[in-house]
Amino acid sequence: EVQMVESGGGLVQPGGSLRLSCAASGFTFSVYWMHWVRQAPGKGLVWVSHINGDGSSTRYADSVKGRFTISRDNAKNTLYLQMNSLRAEDTAVYYCARAGRYCSSTSCYTGDYFDYWGQGTLVTVSS
Amino acid sequence: QSALTQPPSVSGSPGQSVTISCTGTSSDVGSYNRLSWYQQPPGTAPKLMIYEVSIRPSGVPDRFSGSKSGNTASLTISGLQAEDEADYYCSSYTSSSTWVFGGGTKLTVL
Repeated sequence: EVQMVESGGGLVQPGGSLRLSCAASGFTFSVYWMHWVRQAPGKGLVWVSHINGDGSSTRYADSVKGRFTISRDNAKNTLYLQMNSLRAEDTAVYYCARAGRYCSSTSCYTGDYFDYWGQGTLVTVSS
Repeated sequence: QSALTQPPSVSGSPGQSVTISCTGTSSDVGSYNRLSWYQQPPGTAPKLMIYEVSIRPSGVPDRFSGSKSGNTASLTISGLQAEDEADYYCSSYTSSSTWVFGGGTKLTVL
């Protein structure tokens, strides 16, 4: 069974840092691209960041570029999000999400959709 | 990257059909068939309902269907059931190699 469990959220002051973790199980973590998606209280989903399977390629939303860093440890089946220079507007539930993947008889492809989600971890930035 | 445009709310009675629209631009929805839909009941994580415009993952009822024309995609739910009440989000890949969500639509089953 595919499972992803986020941790590391909490209350932090503006300008502070936090590192989120997402522990994955039930699938071959190293071949899947992974994403972070956040949701401010009472608001919609917002894509934050992506990383490919071996960690060599990453992407960020403009709102977090230069402040957040996504990474992964495939030996530990864990995804991370290092968040620095936090602002009040970063307050949200942060979800890790797995990118969909499908295979033909000859090749496998990564889809641009999110097929499994963790339960989320709440980050509150406030003084 | 601006969010895709969805109606804030839609409603329908049990057994009826409802359609939720998702409008983007030629840089996202209009350029790719990489359009997906997610269901999020209150207090829960999102669940994938449709991917690549119209493909249903295993386990999603065939009452859920997706389509796209130009810069606008649509999710249709037929034979509405009380359990369908939730927030629905669309998402698209973009020409900037990023991803964007819609603002979300609250579905109320009357």
